[in-house]
Amino acid sequence: EADIYQTPRYLVIGTGKKITLECSQTMGHDKMYWYQQDPGMELHLIHYSYGVNSTEKGDLSSESTVSRIRTEHFPLTLESARPSHTSQYLCASSEFQTDTQYFGPGTRLTVL
Amino acid sequence: QKEVEQDPGPLSVPEGAIVSLNCTYSNSAFQYFMWYRQYSRKGPELLMYTYSSGNKEDGRFTAQVDKSSKYISLFIRDSQPSDSATYLCAMIVGAAGNKLTFGGGTRVLVKP
Repeated sequence: EADIYQTPRYLVIGTGKKITLECSQTMGHDKMYWYQQDPGMELHLIHYSYGVNSTEKGDLSSESTVSRIRTEHFPLTLESARPSHTSQYLCASSEFQTDTQYFGPGTRLTVL
Repeated sequence: QKEVEQDPGPLSVPEGAIVSLNCTYSNSAFQYFMWYRQYSRKGPELLMYTYSSGNKEDGRFTAQVDKSSKYISLFIRDSQPSDSATYLCAMIVGAAGNKLTFGGGTRVLVKP
C-alpha cells in the first residue's frame, strides 16, 4: 500500500484566493509529480520533481507553482484561484530506478 | 497522434466474464509497462508492472506485453462488480530520468 497523502481531500473556495495543496510521502522517493484530471478525462502532468530543489513544468501548462524543499513534501500553490482551476489534483511519487508511480487519493478543488 | 492509444469504453460485461483491455503504442523505446485501476473520484492504484514481453499473472489479473506489435493487454478473470473502474495503461522509456506516458483509460462496468 502506498504511503502518499494529500490534504485537503475536498476544497471549495472563492475566486482570487490563494491556495496550497499539500502532498507528502513517507517512502523516501526521489521523484514526485502533480497531475490534473477532470472527471472522466485523462491525466495531465503539470509539475514534477526529481529531488530536493528540483522542479520542472509538465506537459500541460498550469498557472500553479510547486516547491521541493524536503524529499517527502511537494506542495502545489495557486496564487489566485479561478473557476477554470476547478479539477481533481493528483500527487504521485516514484523510485528513481523503476519509475513505478504511486498515487495519493487526490484533492478535488472547486473554485466558485 | 497520441503515443499511447486506449479505447475509452465503456466496456460492460456480466459478472464472472473475462475482461480484456488493451493499449497500443507508437514509441518502440518504451520498456516498462504498467496497469493502474482508478475508482471514481480516487487516485490510480498500481495493479501490474511488467518489463519483458510475455505474460505476467497476479491472482485474477494477467498482463501481456507484445513489443513486436507494440501492444499490451490486461485480462481480468472471474470479473466482479468491484472490478468496475477505469483502467489506465502506462509506459516509460528506460528507468531513470524519464516520464510515464499514460493511456486515456478504459471504463469497465461489471454487472451483477
